[in-house]
Amino acid sequence: QPQLQESGPGLVRPSETLSLTCAVSGDSVSNRTYYWGWIRQPPGKGLEWIGTIYYSGSKYFNPSLKSRVTIAVDTSKNHVSLELNSVTAADTAVFYCARGLWFGDFGDAFDLWGQGTLVTVSS
Amino acid sequence: DIQMTQSPSSLSASVGDRVTITCRASQSVSKFLNWYQQRPGRAPKLLIYGASSLHSGVPSRFSGSGSGTDFSLTISGLHPEDFATYYCQQSYSSPHGFGQGTYLEIK
Repeated sequence: QPQLQESGPGLVRPSETLSLTCAVSGDSVSNRTYYWGWIRQPPGKGLEWIGTIYYSGSKYFNPSLKSRVTIAVDTSKNHVSLELNSVTAADTAVFYCARGLWFGDFGDAFDLWGQGTLVTVSS
Repeated sequence: DIQMTQSPSSLSASVGDRVTITCRASQSVSKFLNWYQQRPGRAPKLLIYGASSLHSGVPSRFSGSGSGTDFSLTISGLHPEDFATYYCQQSYSSPHGFGQGTYLEIK
């Protein structure tokens, strides 16, 4: 059964870089059927789409975060990574990685999610 | 960017009730609208894709409809495990934003 597991520091200092990895098990990040995304959720608030990366290497980001975000796939480690630089307290959130699946003419959606990891930005 | 607006923001209902949540896009997203369920402390779970297609393993009491800018999620006969927060998401154009969520609570 494919699974996603996020990991990384739970506490990041303001102005520093938040770095997370999403380990993919039971499948390959190179599987062309899928794409990979990151979503975050501030405590008590809704979901915010951060960005996605496709097999082709194409990447799309939320314009509000684009200048600060890097998403990459490491096929040797079978994981997806997220970096968010120059963080502030407003970046405190649960971060989820998710697998995107194309449903043909019905579009695409995140069909598998990691459990999420809370990252707090504080000095 | 396409803005997604859900209504209501919260909803009280009883086990066995039929409820409908709506989602409106600021411009047409055709049929590229997804619905997710999020239980407290858990990751979101895909329910509906393509506005009306039920994802594998999702109970048939969940249904979706709509196209263009107006969509709805209906739960016919609420079960106790259905009390959760529901989000719509458009996958028509980047950024694939979410609605603000609808919190469904037990009356």
